[in-house]
Amino acid sequence: VTQNPRYLITVTGKKLTVTCSQNMNHEYMSWYRQDPGMGLKLIYYSVGAGITDKGEVPNGYNVSRSTTEDFPLRLELAAPSQTSVYFCASSDDRANSPLHFGNGTRLTVT
Amino acid sequence: KNEVEQSPQNLTAQEGEFITINCSYSVGISALHWLQQHPGGGIVSLFMLSSGKKKHGRLIATINIQEKHSSLHITASHPRDSAVYICAGPKYSGGGADGLTFGKGTHLIIQP
Repeated sequence: VTQNPRYLITVTGKKLTVTCSQNMNHEYMSWYRQDPGMGLKLIYYSVGAGITDKGEVPNGYNVSRSTTEDFPLRLELAAPSQTSVYFCASSDDRANSPLHFGNGTRLTVT
Repeated sequence: KNEVEQSPQNLTAQEGEFITINCSYSVGISALHWLQQHPGGGIVSLFMLSSGKKKHGRLIATINIQEKHSSLHITASHPRDSAVYICAGPKYSGGGADGLTFGKGTHLIIQP
């Protein structure tokens, strides 16, 4: 799973995109955010091309899944509360197959 | 809704010690995951298990379905085992699992 960029610093109100792609033909892809002392939280997920759905913490984020391989995460109006580490992951199944994670994106919004 | 609790939150041990990290969950699950995250690094899937025990090198994962409990053991621990270990189970909403719900992680430090 390839996730870019690794580090991103931006200012409040900017629009940004974090890219994620996989070449394992996995149907299930997902985005998580990880905050200090908290478990990973599901932002959005997709069970196949053209299908996306909200997770636990979707507000302020958007995703799309135009192909099986790609699942970008978009922040339309970056906010300081979105400062976090973001992980993309893919697997064969929603919960019953091992997850393959990207290397993470550390986002800072000032 | 499936709640996943891990203990301990932090664990410091000496090289060579036997390590146990515990995970409990609130509802019946089809599979439980153990993940490893090194400092500043990515997340790697260690195990996925639905019953019994799995072993990979010095790592052993067990699960007791009836008690809704899983453990991750590390034998002959080494400083390179220092990492955050995370357990995760299915996250249910309405019609079924839509992903995983994660414990907060156990921060393990193995001192030489």
